[in-house]
Amino acid sequence: AQTVTQSQPEMSVQEAETVTLSCTYDTSESNYYLFWYKQPPSRQMILVIRQEAYKQQNATENRFSVNFQKAAKSFSLKISDSQLGDTAMYFCAFIMYSGGGADGLTFGKGTHLIIQP
Amino acid sequence: DTGVSQDPRHKITKRGQNVTFRCDPISEHNRLYWYRQTLGQGPEFLTYFQNEAQLEKSRLLSDRFSAERPKGSFSTLEIQRTEQGDSAMYLCASSYGQHSNEKLFFGSGTQLSVL
Repeated sequence: AQTVTQSQPEMSVQEAETVTLSCTYDTSESNYYLFWYKQPPSRQMILVIRQEAYKQQNATENRFSVNFQKAAKSFSLKISDSQLGDTAMYFCAFIMYSGGGADGLTFGKGTHLIIQP
Repeated sequence: DTGVSQDPRHKITKRGQNVTFRCDPISEHNRLYWYRQTLGQGPEFLTYFQNEAQLEKSRLLSDRFSAERPKGSFSTLEIQRTEQGDSAMYLCASSYGQHSNEKLFFGSGTQLSVL
């Protein structure tokens, strides 16, 4: 079974600072996908960034980037120039590459990120 | 299209009662998922539909839980004889495609409180 661990229950930084959220996972699979989802107070989960395990290049989406270390099974999220609207719960998630089969995401417990003005 | 809709947003019920939640996915999405999220935890996978076919159910889904997706459009999740341990937020998500790596669009969830 796959597990996802987020070791930081809560983090707080000043606006405009850079923050890194940690995530480690455990799997025996070689083909899989990793995600970071954001859950603001509105409760709606929003995809932040996605990484394919077969790609060595780290994914980037505007101010969001990841540091994917496959051998270490580590997948951290870096948020640059943090904004007040980044305040939310952030969940790391894993899914096997099923090639069309039925799978569910495995989520970590989340990190509550607070951006201070 | 306004995204994935879930109804009701909140539900309070007494132990032993039956409850039903509804999810309306994005119209062209063929894949629909139900997740459960308890306080301080990440969402846990419950079940998955591809079109109208329910293809997978988690071991978390006891016999008191049943889900349907008639005609491959909206979905319902019913919990019979609710227990206090069923109190959680129930999230619905949908996606379009053939693989599990597609971007999931989540609804805002139904918060269930069992008294």
